[in-house]
Amino acid sequence: KQEVTQIPAALSVPEGENLVLNCSFTDSAIYNLQWFRQDPGKGLTSLLLIQSSQREQTSGRLNASLDKSSGRSTLYIAASQPGDSATYLCAALSSGGYNKLIFGAGTRLAVHP
Amino acid sequence: IAGITQAPTSQILAAGRRMTLRCTQDMRHNAMYWYRQDLGLGLRLIHYSNTAGTTGKGEVPDGYSVSRANTDDFPLTLASAVPSQTSVYFCASSMDRGQGYTFGSGTRLTVV
Repeated sequence: KQEVTQIPAALSVPEGENLVLNCSFTDSAIYNLQWFRQDPGKGLTSLLLIQSSQREQTSGRLNASLDKSSGRSTLYIAASQPGDSATYLCAALSSGGYNKLIFGAGTRLAVHP
Repeated sequence: IAGITQAPTSQILAAGRRMTLRCTQDMRHNAMYWYRQDLGLGLRLIHYSNTAGTTGKGEVPDGYSVSRANTDDFPLTLASAVPSQTSVYFCASSMDRGQGYTFGSGTRLTVV
């Protein structure tokens, strides 16, 4: 059974810092891995999607990497801004069975001026 | 604007009442999903549909039913609501397994 873990659970940093959010998954047979952002009381916004054959994806100040063999993904945020404050969720789509995206509990990020 | 529309945005419901949460997408995605999000438990899959006319059970299907009469709509019905169904409900869709998921903005349901 796939389990997704995110570390740290919460993070508070000053503006301008470069950040690394970690995600680990127990079953390396994943189809893809997706990072989402969720603002308080809002829905999920997709940030990056990494296919199992890819090693990383980049969008602006965000870079996500995937290492299937070690069961890990990282989300790198460069030059953090207060507007980056949100909860970041990673989710793994397993190769077997039906489409079932398994979510981690999230990392709650606060970037203060 | 392409995306997923959920209705209502929020609802307070008396226990024992029947309720249907609506979800409509205009992206012609094949697959649709219902998740519930609870503090401390994260997002859990309730039901899914890989294509119009088919549905399947997720992790927490009890007390919920779905139908998929066409590509665009995927309503979630609570036949007789109970307080433990108080949650935020998210509808999502994807074109196929290789594509990412798109989520709606959610329905906040309180059962009293």
